[in-house]
Amino acid sequence: QKEVEQDPGPLSVPEGAIVSLNCTYSNSAFQYFMWYRQYSRKGPELLMYTYSSGNKEDGRFTAQVDKSSKYISLFIRDSQPSDSATYLCAMSIMYSGGGADGLTFGKGTHLIIQP
Amino acid sequence: DTAVSQTPKYLVTQMGNDKSIKCEQNLGHDTMYWYKQDSKKFLKIMFSYNNKELIINETVPNRFSPKSPDKAHLNLHINSLELGDSAVYFCASSQEGRQGRHQIRNSNQPQHFGDGTRLSIL
Repeated sequence: QKEVEQDPGPLSVPEGAIVSLNCTYSNSAFQYFMWYRQYSRKGPELLMYTYSSGNKEDGRFTAQVDKSSKYISLFIRDSQPSDSATYLCAMSIMYSGGGADGLTFGKGTHLIIQP
Repeated sequence: DTAVSQTPKYLVTQMGNDKSIKCEQNLGHDTMYWYKQDSKKFLKIMFSYNNKELIINETVPNRFSPKSPDKAHLNLHINSLELGDSAVYFCASSQEGRQGRHQIRNSNQPQHFGDGTRLSIL
């Protein structure tokens, strides 16, 4: 079983729809959770960053973390064609003994917003 | 100004050559990383480097070696390039909250990425 599971899609929705993107994970040591957006031929761009379980909202984006179920979600309201991209979930472990921690990524979901 | 910049953007070279990719960040971060994104778009950590402490992903061949001349730069040198090294390599940086050897809870800051170097081996 992979550490982070994410449906690669593609997920195609009409403009204005609410989009729901999800990841599940198996390692209960993950403490930090992120969503990145990646356009073609660009680097991942940070969208949301959360530490605790619960919801965090930023504009049209809402990130949800449920540590008990090992499940995270990203909701996009009023989706726009410019939201078409690959969305990557990522997570990391907090070390207490030194050493910087790399991110563990999901494989990304390719999202297409139809005008 | 680009926060995390990599050069070159594209690198085409032959099998067996040695090449370097450069990364610079102007965010004042103390930790830098190299990731590899394969043909299936899967991003995987290769190295992280913090205050001269190098954490190596054990699956990375020793043909890959990161070199950090200062806190703002982390270059990636690759010896004896192989066909399987073809990928997009991303540099990232972050600020790690620390007191001595220990991280401060809730202080981790997210990683910011460059736009990648597309390496093609002929």
